Formats: sequence, structure tokens, C-alpha cells
Amino acid sequence: QLQLQESGPGLVKPSETLSLTCTVSGGSISSTSYYWGWIRQPPGKGLEWIGSVYYSGSTYYNPSLKSRVTISVDTSKNQLSLKLSSVTAADTAVYYCARQVRYDSLPWHFDLWGRGTLVTVSS
Amino acid sequence: EIVMTQSPATLSVSPGERATLSCRASQSVSSNLAWFQQKPGQAPRLLIYAASTRATGIPARFSGSGSGTEFTLTISSLQSEDFAVYYCQQYNNWPPWTFGQGTKVEIK
Repeated sequence: QLQLQESGPGLVKPSETLSLTCTVSGGSISSTSYYWGWIRQPPGKGLEWIGSVYYSGSTYYNPSLKSRVTISVDTSKNQLSLKLSSVTAADTAVYYCARQVRYDSLPWHFDLWGRGTLVTVSS
Repeated sequence: EIVMTQSPATLSVSPGERATLSCRASQSVSSNLAWFQQKPGQAPRLLIYAASTRATGIPARFSGSGSGTEFTLTISSLQSEDFAVYYCQQYNNWPPWTFGQGTKVEIK
């Protein structure tokens, strides 16, 4: 059974870069049936899509975050990563990685999520 | 960007009763809509995709309907494990993929 596990620092200082990794186990990140995405949820609030990546490296980013976000894949390690630069307190959230169904060569809905990791931005 | 609006924000329902949750899109998303359930401290779980198709392992008491801009998630007979927050998400016009703000289903 495929699982996703997020990892990374739980505390990041303002203006620094948030870096997270998602490890995919029980399946291959190189599957042609899926994209892989990052979604975040500020405490007590709703869900915000950050970006998605295909194993080839093709990416889609949320326009509201695009200038600060980089998402990449490492197929040799079966991992995807997220980098968010110049963070502020508004970036404090639970960050989830999720599998995104690929249909007609395009990313569709998210069908499997990791458990998420809380990242707090504070000095 | 397509804005998804869910109503009500909170729904109080007794166990065994029916719950009806609404989701409205700011423009047509065809049938490209998913519903998720999220319990405290847990990741969202996919319930419904393509507006009305239940995901693997989802009980038949969960059903979805609608197309275009108006969608409904119905839980036919609420069980104790169904009290949670429910989100809709469109995947018709992107980026970005967008979510509603959620409906909390609480015990009456």
C-alpha cells in the first residue's frame, strides 16, 4: 500500500527558506499515472494548493506563491521536495504531500495524502 | 481563479439523520469536483471524485451530485465516525486547484 511521509524542520526563522521532503513508499514516484503535490493548511483554517510535479520534472505552481516556490523530484530516492523562500508567519501551516491522479496526460484530483508536518515560522 | 464556497459553515446533525452539504463554484467546473473528509489531526481523505463517484472503500451512505456550479454531498445516515470537516475541491480550471473553506459536521 502506497504511503507518503513528509519530513523536515518544524521551525523556520522569518526570511529564511522552508525545505520539506516527501518520501513515497510502497510504490514508484515515476508512475505515469500520477502527479505529486504539496498542499498546506494554516492552523484552524482551510486548504491551499502550493504546487504539483510530474516525475519528469514538469511543474505547476500556485500563482500566489510562484515567485517563492520550487518543487522537484528525485526519482532515485522516490522523493519530492518543497522549497519556500522568504517565509513569514503567514507561512505557518501543516504541509501535506499528496498523490494526484493523472488523466488524459493532465493532473486531476488528489487521491492519497501524507499525514502532514507542522512548520512554524518564528524567530 | 475559481472560488469555491461551501455552506453551511457548521451543520449540527443527530446520529442517524441525513446531512446535506453544499458547494458552489464561481464559474462552471463541469463535473470536475472532489469531496474530502478531514478529522482532527488527520490528513484529508478522498470521498468523492468526478462529482459523484465514490472513492475506493468509501461507504455507500456518502453520495455526491451536481455539475456546473452547484454540488451536494449527502450523508444518508450519519454515523459517529462521520463527524468531521468536509471540503470540496475543483480540478477543472487550474492552476490553481482550489478548495472550499469547509463545512464542519457536528453532533447535535
